[in-house]
Amino acid sequence: DGGITQSPKYLFRKEGQNVTLSCEQNLNHDAMYWYRQDPGQGLRLIYYSQIVNDFQKGDIAEGYSVSREKKESFPLTVTSAQKNPTAFYLCASSIGQGIAQPQHFGDGTRLSIL
Amino acid sequence: SQQGEEDPQALSIQEGENATMNCSYKTSINNLQWYRQNSGRGLVHLILIRSNEREKHSGRLRVTLDTSKKSSSLLITASRAADTASYFCATSRSEKLVFGKGTKLTVNP
Repeated sequence: DGGITQSPKYLFRKEGQNVTLSCEQNLNHDAMYWYRQDPGQGLRLIYYSQIVNDFQKGDIAEGYSVSREKKESFPLTVTSAQKNPTAFYLCASSIGQGIAQPQHFGDGTRLSIL
Repeated sequence: SQQGEEDPQALSIQEGENATMNCSYKTSINNLQWYRQNSGRGLVHLILIRSNEREKHSGRLRVTLDTSKKSSSLLITASRAADTASYFCATSRSEKLVFGKGTKLTVNP
């Protein structure tokens, strides 16, 4: 079955620690996205990538970093510079570049502060 | 920046009734998409309507788009308890989607 796998489902971060959220897709999609969702809120775009080895900042990129070394993988690192990281993080992918096409989502990673 | 805003924020209906959710946006768009999110899960794409389309159907879903009023509506007919979820509109002007804050729909059995 094709889809997007996010891991872990729950993650806890200590003060001053960087943590990395995994996102893997086997849909052969070119574009991948990371969103942050706070309680009762919509999704805010952190970073996106339309092609391997290239990515762009979204609306709230400060305190986050990404890499896109493989088409299938788009890991997100939440750095210690992100002072309020507690949120639900969603990864998505879509078929391609240009005008936004329907996005397929993973089931998210819930990040909390210890 | 939030582009789409859904209304109402929350909606509670009985099974079998119709549910209507509205989305307003501010700037011109290429397409508008509706998504569903069950509690604690990722979003699921429901329907995409292009800026040159006025109405689209998919099963029990009917979406309308009025570009002159910069608004869209999602109608779910003959609702079921399984339709309980949050519904988001997302607008597209480029390669990015901008999501609203969603309407939380509760369908009571």
